[in-house]
Amino acid sequence: GAGVSQSPSNKVTEKGKDVELRCDPISGHTALYWYRQSLGQGLEFLIYFQGNSAPDKSGLPSDRFSAERTGGSVSTLTIQRTQQEDSAVYLCASSLDFTANTEAFFGQGTRLTVV
Amino acid sequence: ILNVEQSPQSLHVQEGDSTNFTCSFPSSNFYALHWYRWETAKSPEALFVMTLNGDEKKKGRISATLNTKEGYSYLYIKGSQPEDSATYLCAFDSTGKLIFGQGTTLQVKP
Repeated sequence: GAGVSQSPSNKVTEKGKDVELRCDPISGHTALYWYRQSLGQGLEFLIYFQGNSAPDKSGLPSDRFSAERTGGSVSTLTIQRTQQEDSAVYLCASSLDFTANTEAFFGQGTRLTVV
Repeated sequence: ILNVEQSPQSLHVQEGDSTNFTCSFPSSNFYALHWYRWETAKSPEALFVMTLNGDEKKKGRISATLNTKEGYSYLYIKGSQPEDSATYLCAFDSTGKLIFGQGTTLQVKP
Protein backbone atom coordinates (compact mmCIF):
# COMPACT_ATOMS: atom_id res chain seq x y z
CA GLY A 1 0.00 0.00 0.00
CA ALA A 2 0.91 3.63 -0.28
CA GLY A 3 1.17 4.27 3.44
CA VAL A 4 1.08 2.70 6.87
CA SER A 5 -2.33 1.20 7.51
CA GLN A 6 -3.78 0.52 10.95
CA SER A 7 -6.95 -1.30 11.90
CA PRO A 8 -9.38 -0.86 13.42
CA SER A 9 -9.45 2.93 13.45
CA ASN A 10 -11.62 2.89 16.56
CA LYS A 11 -12.16 0.20 19.14
CA VAL A 12 -14.41 0.25 22.18
CA THR A 13 -13.96 -2.68 24.52
CA GLU A 14 -15.08 -3.70 27.95
CA LYS A 15 -12.64 -3.76 30.82
CA GLY A 16 -11.04 -7.17 31.11
CA LYS A 17 -11.37 -8.10 27.43
CA ASP A 18 -8.40 -8.72 25.14
CA VAL A 19 -7.84 -6.57 22.05
CA GLU A 20 -5.66 -6.86 18.98
CA LEU A 21 -4.47 -3.88 17.01
CA ARG A 22 -3.04 -4.37 13.54
CA CYS A 23 -0.41 -2.45 11.60
CA ASP A 24 0.48 -2.88 7.92
CA PRO A 25 3.76 -1.04 7.31
CA ILE A 26 4.94 0.37 4.01
CA SER A 27 6.20 -2.45 1.80
CA GLY A 28 9.94 -2.91 2.13
CA HIS A 29 10.24 -1.05 5.42
CA THR A 30 12.29 -3.11 7.83
CA ALA A 31 11.78 -1.02 10.97
CA LEU A 32 8.42 -0.84 12.73
CA TYR A 33 7.43 1.09 15.84
CA TRP A 34 4.44 1.18 18.17
CA TYR A 35 3.64 4.27 20.24
CA ARG A 36 0.65 5.37 22.25
CA GLN A 37 -0.71 8.76 23.13
CA SER A 38 -2.83 8.96 26.23
CA LEU A 39 -5.02 12.01 26.79
CA GLY A 40 -2.88 15.09 27.26
CA GLN A 41 0.37 13.16 26.94
CA GLY A 42 3.09 12.90 24.32
CA LEU A 43 4.03 9.91 22.20
CA GLU A 44 5.05 7.08 24.50
CA PHE A 45 7.39 4.49 23.01
CA LEU A 46 6.11 0.92 23.32
CA ILE A 47 8.11 -1.44 21.11
CA TYR A 48 10.48 -1.34 18.15
CA PHE A 49 11.11 -4.07 15.59
CA GLN A 50 14.34 -3.80 13.65
CA GLY A 51 14.79 -6.23 10.77
CA ASN A 52 15.43 -9.76 11.98
CA SER A 53 16.83 -8.68 15.35
CA ALA A 54 15.05 -9.25 18.63
CA PRO A 55 12.55 -6.42 19.22
CA ASP A 56 13.18 -3.68 21.75
CA LYS A 57 10.30 -4.19 24.18
CA SER A 58 11.56 -1.77 26.78
CA GLY A 59 8.54 0.53 26.48
CA LEU A 60 5.79 -2.02 27.04
CA PRO A 61 4.05 -0.85 30.24
CA SER A 62 3.13 -4.27 31.61
CA ASP A 63 3.11 -7.96 30.77
CA ARG A 64 -0.47 -7.54 29.52
CA PHE A 65 1.04 -5.94 26.42
CA SER A 66 2.72 -7.95 23.69
CA ALA A 67 3.49 -7.48 20.03
CA GLU A 68 4.67 -9.59 17.19
CA ARG A 69 5.70 -8.99 13.65
CA THR A 70 5.12 -11.85 11.25
CA GLY A 71 7.32 -12.33 8.21
CA GLY A 72 8.93 -8.96 8.72
CA SER A 73 5.75 -7.22 7.63
CA VAL A 74 2.41 -7.00 9.47
CA SER A 75 2.53 -6.37 13.20
CA THR A 76 -0.09 -7.03 15.86
CA LEU A 77 -0.17 -5.33 19.25
CA THR A 78 -2.16 -7.36 21.78
CA ILE A 79 -3.45 -6.02 25.07
CA GLN A 80 -4.80 -8.65 27.45
CA ARG A 81 -7.30 -7.98 30.22
CA THR A 82 -7.68 -4.35 29.20
CA GLN A 83 -7.88 -1.66 31.87
CA GLN A 84 -9.31 1.83 31.63
CA GLU A 85 -5.82 3.33 31.72
CA ASP A 86 -5.11 1.53 28.44
CA SER A 87 -7.46 3.96 26.69
CA ALA A 88 -5.31 5.89 24.23
CA VAL A 89 -4.49 6.37 20.58
CA TYR A 90 -2.09 3.66 19.46
CA LEU A 91 0.15 4.71 16.58
CA CYS A 92 2.26 2.52 14.37
CA ALA A 93 5.13 3.79 12.23
CA SER A 94 7.59 2.23 9.83
CA SER A 95 10.86 3.33 8.29
CA LEU A 96 12.96 2.08 5.44
CA ASP A 97 15.66 0.66 7.67
CA PHE A 98 17.06 1.10 11.13
CA THR A 99 20.09 3.18 10.22
CA ALA A 100 20.12 6.91 10.77
CA ASN A 101 18.76 9.36 8.20
CA THR A 102 15.49 7.52 7.64
CA GLU A 103 12.25 9.23 8.57
CA ALA A 104 9.36 7.33 10.09
CA PHE A 105 5.97 7.17 8.39
CA PHE A 106 2.96 6.97 10.67
CA GLY A 107 -0.41 5.33 10.34
CA GLN A 108 -3.65 7.07 11.29
CA GLY A 109 -3.76 5.31 14.63
CA THR A 110 -6.25 3.17 16.51
CA ARG A 111 -8.30 4.96 19.16
CA LEU A 112 -8.90 2.46 21.95
CA THR A 113 -11.54 3.15 24.55
CA VAL A 114 -11.89 0.79 27.49
CA VAL A 115 -15.24 1.12 29.26
CA ILE B 1 16.06 6.62 30.68
CA LEU B 2 16.37 8.85 27.61
CA ASN B 3 15.03 12.34 28.26
CA VAL B 4 13.88 14.47 25.34
CA GLU B 5 12.54 17.86 26.39
CA GLN B 6 10.69 20.38 24.29
CA SER B 7 9.84 23.97 25.11
CA PRO B 8 7.62 25.77 25.22
CA GLN B 9 4.75 23.32 25.70
CA SER B 10 2.40 25.62 23.77
CA LEU B 11 2.62 28.85 21.87
CA HIS B 12 0.07 31.31 20.51
CA VAL B 13 1.24 33.77 17.85
CA GLN B 14 -0.32 36.14 15.37
CA GLU B 15 -0.24 35.49 11.65
CA GLY B 16 3.01 36.86 10.25
CA ASP B 17 5.00 36.44 13.47
CA SER B 18 8.18 34.40 13.40
CA THR B 19 8.69 31.85 16.14
CA ASN B 20 11.03 29.15 17.35
CA PHE B 21 10.96 26.12 19.63
CA THR B 22 13.64 24.14 21.39
CA CYS B 23 14.34 20.43 21.66
CA SER B 24 16.99 19.18 24.09
CA PHE B 25 18.29 15.63 24.05
CA PRO B 26 21.13 13.46 25.40
CA SER B 27 24.50 14.29 23.86
CA SER B 28 25.66 10.66 24.01
CA ASN B 29 24.71 7.77 21.70
CA PHE B 30 23.41 10.23 19.15
CA TYR B 31 22.40 8.95 15.73
CA ALA B 32 19.93 11.56 14.47
CA LEU B 33 17.38 14.13 15.51
CA HIS B 34 13.99 14.14 13.81
CA TRP B 35 11.33 16.86 13.63
CA TYR B 36 7.70 15.99 12.89
CA ARG B 37 4.56 18.07 12.43
CA TRP B 38 1.32 16.62 13.78
CA GLU B 39 -1.86 18.31 12.64
CA THR B 40 -5.17 17.59 14.30
CA ALA B 41 -6.91 14.49 12.90
CA LYS B 42 -3.84 13.57 10.86
CA SER B 43 -0.73 11.44 11.33
CA PRO B 44 2.64 12.92 12.29
CA GLU B 45 4.68 13.83 9.20
CA ALA B 46 8.44 14.21 9.03
CA LEU B 47 9.90 17.66 8.53
CA PHE B 48 13.60 17.01 8.95
CA VAL B 49 16.06 14.29 9.87
CA MET B 50 19.36 15.77 11.00
CA THR B 51 22.56 13.92 11.78
CA LEU B 52 25.56 16.26 11.71
CA ASN B 53 26.56 18.77 14.35
CA GLY B 54 26.00 22.24 12.96
CA ASP B 55 23.52 20.93 10.40
CA GLU B 56 20.89 23.37 9.18
CA LYS B 57 17.89 22.30 7.13
CA LYS B 58 15.15 24.32 5.49
CA LYS B 59 11.78 23.56 3.99
CA GLY B 60 9.92 26.65 2.82
CA ARG B 61 9.40 28.93 5.83
CA ILE B 62 10.51 26.27 8.30
CA SER B 63 14.13 25.65 9.22
CA ALA B 64 16.02 23.74 11.89
CA THR B 65 19.48 23.74 13.41
CA LEU B 66 21.33 21.06 15.32
CA ASN B 67 23.97 21.13 18.06
CA THR B 68 24.88 17.58 19.01
CA LYS B 69 27.70 18.56 21.39
CA GLU B 70 25.40 20.46 23.71
CA GLY B 71 22.31 18.42 22.86
CA TYR B 72 19.79 20.84 21.41
CA SER B 73 17.95 21.64 18.20
CA TYR B 74 15.90 24.68 17.26
CA LEU B 75 12.96 24.76 14.88
CA TYR B 76 12.16 28.14 13.32
CA ILE B 77 9.02 29.23 11.51
CA LYS B 78 9.25 32.48 9.60
CA GLY B 79 6.08 34.46 8.99
CA SER B 80 3.68 32.01 10.67
CA GLN B 81 0.45 31.21 8.86
CA PRO B 82 -2.75 29.69 10.29
CA GLU B 83 -1.98 26.46 8.43
CA ASP B 84 1.20 26.14 10.51
CA SER B 85 -1.00 25.44 13.54
CA ALA B 86 0.00 21.97 14.72
CA THR B 87 2.01 20.12 17.34
CA TYR B 88 5.71 19.98 16.52
CA LEU B 89 7.52 16.91 17.81
CA CYS B 90 11.20 16.20 17.99
CA ALA B 91 12.54 12.67 18.29
CA PHE B 92 15.96 11.50 19.44
CA ASP B 93 17.22 8.64 17.31
CA SER B 94 19.53 6.27 19.13
CA THR B 95 20.39 3.17 17.07
CA GLY B 96 17.15 3.53 15.19
CA LYS B 97 14.87 3.73 18.24
CA LEU B 98 12.95 7.03 18.20
CA ILE B 99 12.17 8.67 21.53
CA PHE B 100 9.82 11.63 21.22
CA GLY B 101 9.54 14.78 23.25
CA GLN B 102 6.15 15.97 24.54
CA GLY B 103 5.80 18.39 21.63
CA THR B 104 5.18 22.10 21.22
CA THR B 105 1.64 23.01 20.20
CA LEU B 106 1.54 26.09 18.00
CA GLN B 107 -1.63 28.09 17.41
CA VAL B 108 -1.43 30.81 14.76
CA LYS B 109 -4.23 33.37 14.93
CA PRO B 110 -5.34 35.06 11.70
